[in-house]
Amino acid sequence: NAGVTQTPKFQVLKTGQSMTLQCAQDMNHEYMSWYRQDPGMGLRLIHYSVGAGITDQGEVPNGYNVSRSTTEDFPLRLLSAAPSQTSVYFCASSYQRARGSATQYFGPGTRLTVL
Amino acid sequence: GDSVTQMEGPVTLSEEAFLTINCTYTATGYPSLFWYVQYPGEGLQLLLKATKADDKGSNKGFEATYRKETTSFHLEKGSVQVSDSAVYFCALRVPISNFGNEKLTFGTGTRLTIIP
Repeated sequence: NAGVTQTPKFQVLKTGQSMTLQCAQDMNHEYMSWYRQDPGMGLRLIHYSVGAGITDQGEVPNGYNVSRSTTEDFPLRLLSAAPSQTSVYFCASSYQRARGSATQYFGPGTRLTVL
Repeated sequence: GDSVTQMEGPVTLSEEAFLTINCTYTATGYPSLFWYVQYPGEGLQLLLKATKADDKGSNKGFEATYRKETTSFHLEKGSVQVSDSAVYFCALRVPISNFGNEKLTFGTGTRLTIIP
């Protein structure tokens, strides 16, 4: 299994540009999520999905869109990038019933810089 | 709301020293507690976890005990190695939706550097 994969690893955008961060998992996990990591703030949840066709907002959803057309993929879209979106983005997945011993698996991250 | 407070870093220790990274939490209900580790240039990996009070999670020589009375989950290791240099995150998991799923709330992370 490749686990959770993310592309690209690095990206530089200009203010106002759009782009999509890709996330895929091959573990047949129903639950997927996107976090951003900023210095001194830990990880904050952006959006999450409990299965294909179902998404919901996390703590910091503004400026981001998501969709979940398949179990495997969960792309994160920035429609009009802003410097405040400069961050490291992590995708994670787990089995839907994320209680007890279930574990969230994280991808390697995408480092995004918005100029 | 739910929150995690962990020890400010950075922490620098000599090899074979004893490590403690403090973590306290605020949550309604009965959260599960986790320690994640992030090595340079990599994503987060689960280090250990505890799902109920008095449980002890352990892995790779690290331990943490879920203390409900003090709302704490401190990370300890008796003898650290250079390879333990990383950022450590304490996290708790609570329900977030009617679907029965839960989200992780993370602390701000503690950077640990071990000197040979």
